[in-house]
Parts: sequence; C-alpha cells; structure tokens
Amino acid sequence: DTEVTQTPKHLVMGMTNKKSLKCEQHMGHRAMYWYKQKAKKPPELMFVYSYEKLSINESVPSRFSPECPNSSLLNLHLHALQPEDSALYLCASSQVGSEAFFGQGTRLTVV
Amino acid sequence: DAKTTQPPSMDCAEGRAANLPCNHSTISGNEYVYWYRQIHSQGPQYIIHGLKNNETNEMASLIITEDRKSSTLILPHATLRDTAVYYCIVRAPGTASKLTFGTGTRLQVTL
Repeated sequence: DTEVTQTPKHLVMGMTNKKSLKCEQHMGHRAMYWYKQKAKKPPELMFVYSYEKLSINESVPSRFSPECPNSSLLNLHLHALQPEDSALYLCASSQVGSEAFFGQGTRLTVV
Repeated sequence: DAKTTQPPSMDCAEGRAANLPCNHSTISGNEYVYWYRQIHSQGPQYIIHGLKNNETNEMASLIITEDRKSSTLILPHATLRDTAVYYCIVRAPGTASKLTFGTGTRLQVTL
C-alpha cells in the first residue's frame, strides 16, 4: 500500500465555520507534511511532523492547527479562515529523510 | 536547503527523449537531488533522487554533473501522459527536513 489518502476531496466552508482535513497513510512512515498550493503556484510547506511531534511550522497563521494523533494519521483543523485561504491542501508522508509520497489533496473553498 | 533554477517551460515530441535541466550551484555535500512531477490538479509524484552517481528507475534517469552543481532528468520516450510540471528539489538527508518546491518546468509533450 503506497497510498496517502486525504478526505474530503472538496470542502466549502464559511468564514465562521470550523472544519478539519484528514490525511491517512499505512506505509509506516514517521514523517508527515502539510502543504498549501494556490493555482499555478508550487506547493508551499506549512507543517512537518516527525515521530508524531511537530518539527517545522513555516510561520503559519494560528487559524490553521495541525494535529498528529498517531503515526498513521494527520489532521489539519481550520477555524475562521479567509477567502484567500482557498487552495489545494496537500498531505505527504515519508520515512524520515526519504522520498515523500503525496495524497491527491483537498480542494478548499472559503466563502 | 539549496535553491534550484529550472527553465519555466519546455516542449517535447511524443516518443522522443525529454531532457529537463536543473541548476543547483549552491548544493551542499550531503544534499540529495530529488525530482517530482505534478500532473494538473493531482498531488506531486516522486520520480527519482540521487546524491552524486547517475540513477535510473522505471520512470526516468537522473544525470548529476561531477561537481554536483547541475543535473538533468531524462524521460527516455516521452508520452502525452508525461505532460506535467517537473520540480527539481535539493534536500538534506536524515531528519524530516523541508521538501521545498521551486517554480518547476512545465513540460508539454505533443504529437
């Protein structure tokens, strides 16, 4: 199983809503990543978890809150987002220091 | 992590070899060169990586110059399905380090 599964595939939320994005992998990877990608731009790193601990936060606003409840699961909790936060959110996983495998992303629209 | 420079776009005829260059003149001795591609609206896909020796797998070949300041990704027989944005990334090994995407090369394969 070389798959990283992200749910939901599409999400529309209001600026006052609270929602969560979910990412799951069963490859035994101990590093997991969140990226944000705007249209026609490269993916931008948001967070890195290593052995279930947050190791990198790229100065992401606090309205994005990551969580890694176990080695297979990564969540991104969303609260009070702005329309400019609309983007494709990508999750990836890897063995620590090795090639990363990406999910297909969640396309988020904030209205 | 070292910065990479790639041409913004390239064309290739179907069935011909696609040679995608990448400049990484500030690469450190322990940093690897990774290549990913992203087909429209999908998550990035790992292609290949290397340190200093040339590498080949079922998807592509990676040629790294002796001084390691540049590399070339070779798709030996490009098909229409290889149309994508190709990203060259330099990354340190070991820890869950950043996988930082540059602007990439948009490869268009034509009939």
